[in-house]
Amino acid sequence: AQSVTQLDSQVPVFEEAPVELRCNYSSSVSVYLFWYVQYPNQGLQLLLKYLSGSTLVKGINGFEAEFNKSQTSFHLRKPSVHISDTAEYFCAVSGAGGGSNYKLTFGKGTLLTVNP
Amino acid sequence: KAGVTQTPRYLIKTRGQQVTLSCSPISGHRSVSWYQQTPGQGLQFLFEYFSETQRNKGNFPGRFSGRQFSNSRSEMNVSTLELGDSALYLCASGRTGMVEQFFGPGTRLTVL
Repeated sequence: AQSVTQLDSQVPVFEEAPVELRCNYSSSVSVYLFWYVQYPNQGLQLLLKYLSGSTLVKGINGFEAEFNKSQTSFHLRKPSVHISDTAEYFCAVSGAGGGSNYKLTFGKGTLLTVNP
Repeated sequence: KAGVTQTPRYLIKTRGQQVTLSCSPISGHRSVSWYQQTPGQGLQFLFEYFSETQRNKGNFPGRFSGRQFSNSRSEMNVSTLELGDSALYLCASGRTGMVEQFFGPGTRLTVL
């Protein structure tokens, strides 16, 4: 089984500042990692995913994340945020081997609030 | 290309009733997954269907069930509703599985 911990439930930042949303995971098998964003009253949208290969993953809207296997982390970063980035962000993990491990486990979410 | 659609968007039921939620995946997608989102428990995986077969299941009681039709549309049923079943139920579809899923807007269920 896998688990995900998002270390910050809320992150307030000013517009144009950099931001990092932290995510740690636990798994006994190889993993796939994901970041999703949820805007108010909407479903989730995939920002980026790590399946294999390069540990630095670039996603949509200028976001990127780095997979660190030794620290079991997958932190999300953006060098300069906009007001429109205000949303809830979810980190998720899935076992990579298929079978019963191949299902998404989500963190509790981080509410990013970008202030003018 | 149309996105994932869920109907109804809002639903109010009373304890003890049953409810059926519907999800139409993106055309060509054969995998449909269901999730429950609550403020307390967050996002929790319910089950995944692929080509009309349940392929994966979360840790929910048997009151929660689902099915998938030959056109990949899926329904989720909750019987004997409890107050704690009040939640946003999200459906997601993928071409082959959960690696790249697209989510619908959700059905907000309120149990009184």
